[in-house]
Amino acid sequence: DTEVTQTPKHLVMGMTNKKSLKCEQHMGHRAMYWYKQKAKKPPELMFVYSYEKLSINESVPSRFSPECPNSSLLNLHLHALQPEDSALYLCASSTVGVGTDTQYFGPGTRLTVL
Amino acid sequence: AQKVTQAQTEISVVEKEDVTLDCVYETRDTTYYLFWYKQPPSGELVFLIRRNSFDEQNEISGRYSWNFQKSTSSFNFTITASQVVDSAVYFCALRFAGGTSYGKLTFGQGTILTVHP
Repeated sequence: DTEVTQTPKHLVMGMTNKKSLKCEQHMGHRAMYWYKQKAKKPPELMFVYSYEKLSINESVPSRFSPECPNSSLLNLHLHALQPEDSALYLCASSTVGVGTDTQYFGPGTRLTVL
Repeated sequence: AQKVTQAQTEISVVEKEDVTLDCVYETRDTTYYLFWYKQPPSGELVFLIRRNSFDEQNEISGRYSWNFQKSTSSFNFTITASQVVDSAVYFCALRFAGGTSYGKLTFGQGTILTVHP
């Protein structure tokens, strides 16, 4: 069983809706990641949090707003999304430190924007 | 710049056949890590292996084995006696071991493996 959990598994939203994706890990990791994956493509990094601080933002549009309220939780707030934002959103976590930071992924949230 | 190439877009085999998934990488870094992940239809990326650039020892884990060759910049993955449950997309990935690229994985395009009964 994965130790990174994501909710919800599926989400359908309209372009005017506000929704949030949640990710939780209980492995004691202090780095957490959001990826976006389109069909038949590899995951694309969106954000990285290290020690609850945003350390990497891959020029993601402001309609995606990440939040890391504590070391175990990672949220992705969604607002005014476009149909092209429909994708699988994956969360991952890892330790912080060279040589130990293998990323472990959650099951993902399949997002459909109508 | 880093690059990972998985030349095989799709592979189809019959159960019990052996299959090798190729991965070729490019990097100017002297210290890096290579990974393989499996993504079944459910969507989750499952970590399979991490290999350090200074460790060229091949590895075997049950039916899985990995051949790392720095001379050819390749990190190939072989499944022996394939099973239907091996059907998935397999990603090879590369990461620089430090600096400002810390934590960022460079993925290949993935290889779709289908194992038929």
